[in-house]
Amino acid sequence: DAKTTQPPSMDCAEGRAANLPCNHSTISGNEYVYWYRQIHSQGPQYIIHGLKNNETNEMASLIITEDRKSSTLILPHATLRDTAVYYCIVRVKTSYDKVIFGPGTSLSVIP
Amino acid sequence: DGGITQSPKYLFRKEGQNVTLSCEQNLNHDAMYWYRQDPGQGLRLIYYSQIVNDFQKGDIAEGYSVSREKKESFPLTVTSAQKNPTAFYLCASSPGLWMGEQFFGPGTRLTVL
Repeated sequence: DAKTTQPPSMDCAEGRAANLPCNHSTISGNEYVYWYRQIHSQGPQYIIHGLKNNETNEMASLIITEDRKSSTLILPHATLRDTAVYYCIVRVKTSYDKVIFGPGTSLSVIP
Repeated sequence: DGGITQSPKYLFRKEGQNVTLSCEQNLNHDAMYWYRQDPGQGLRLIYYSQIVNDFQKGDIAEGYSVSREKKESFPLTVTSAQKNPTAFYLCASSPGLWMGEQFFGPGTRLTVL
């Protein structure tokens, strides 16, 4: 069952912030929001995860709404190398439920 | 450096032949996984393994087989029974079954001619 919905594709100008939305309206209280990305013909790469507070690391920022029904992954200064498919996944951190990768959002960074 | 490797990156086989895809990790992870990805699609789970000598079918196991004789290795065999084997195959590992972040290998693109 799909727990998240993402737009199929987005464009972003190089050097601008890329804001990738994810809806997870049925998220439960102990489920985390994870983001991965997959550059063409490579394996997915972990980016960031969070529960309810906003999170930031060297790659991106994660903004989770107060009701936790949606989130946004922010790449502050997108580069051409950020062109990839971005997957939003919700799951319990120590769950035995399998991880489901949906179709994600294909982000194209344009020069 | 710790990581997960898959070989080869590109593989071509004739229809009707079995082929084995390699996956090795030196992350000391207990759990390993195989996924299949078709163009424009998400990842679909083929098989997974929680520990050595144990593995379970995923969502699309038909036509595939695996073994887990060593913690570091989780090879996938694509048999002639798999009707549409041409795809991108990804191996992953994690510290425990479905626990923590999954680390992915670079993938093997299999083309059956």
